[in-house]
Amino acid sequence: DTAVSQTPKYLVTQMGNDKSIKCEQNLGHDTMYWYKQDSKKFLKIMFSYNNKELIINETVPNRFSPKSPDKAHLNLHINSLELGDSAVYFCASSPDMGLAISYEQYFGPGTRLTVT
Amino acid sequence: AQKVTQAQTEISVVEKEDVTLDCVYETRDTTYYLFWYKQPPSGELVFLIRRNSFDEQNEISGRYSWNFQKSTSSFNFTITASQVVDSAVYFCALSETNAGNNRKLIWGLGTSLAVNP
Repeated sequence: DTAVSQTPKYLVTQMGNDKSIKCEQNLGHDTMYWYKQDSKKFLKIMFSYNNKELIINETVPNRFSPKSPDKAHLNLHINSLELGDSAVYFCASSPDMGLAISYEQYFGPGTRLTVT
Repeated sequence: AQKVTQAQTEISVVEKEDVTLDCVYETRDTTYYLFWYKQPPSGELVFLIRRNSFDEQNEISGRYSWNFQKSTSSFNFTITASQVVDSAVYFCALSETNAGNNRKLIWGLGTSLAVNP
């Protein structure tokens, strides 16, 4: 019973392609996040959604578009992939209501994206 | 300015040694939260502890303990009798309740701990 799941776990693709990463949580949380972790392990928030509504968009290129069909899912679509997009992408969820972060976040296993 | 500083980039110890990972934070909020996460070589991020700014009691969980000191703005993490399985990158993070539109975790850069047999 995985709490936060992501698919795929690995994604290898060529520059210019479009790809999607799916995320689902079964914790009943209201808030979900996408993070990017670079090769130096730096964690950078990309987006946060509360109950299907976008609350944080952290200066991410327009090529990245999150979609939340319901509060249990937050997918990430990336257009025109570039070499610099290679990273590990983590989805996370928390019971926070979006006003502040006071609870821990539960992370998915990550998706390692390699753009060649 | 960096708000969460983990000054130790890498630490290497021998099994059974005690090790302390430092975390210093900066905030003007009176109410805030601090977190520690572990990222083992397998890659997943695992929540370890959450502490709010009004609770200065130290916490112990098995071999893990946390020392929160508001006077020095530090939230240090000690592993007693370290084991090889403790090898991981450890992240400290801060959440400010008066962040307004900036409601996000502020992450440290992580400390990579290697416990050698």
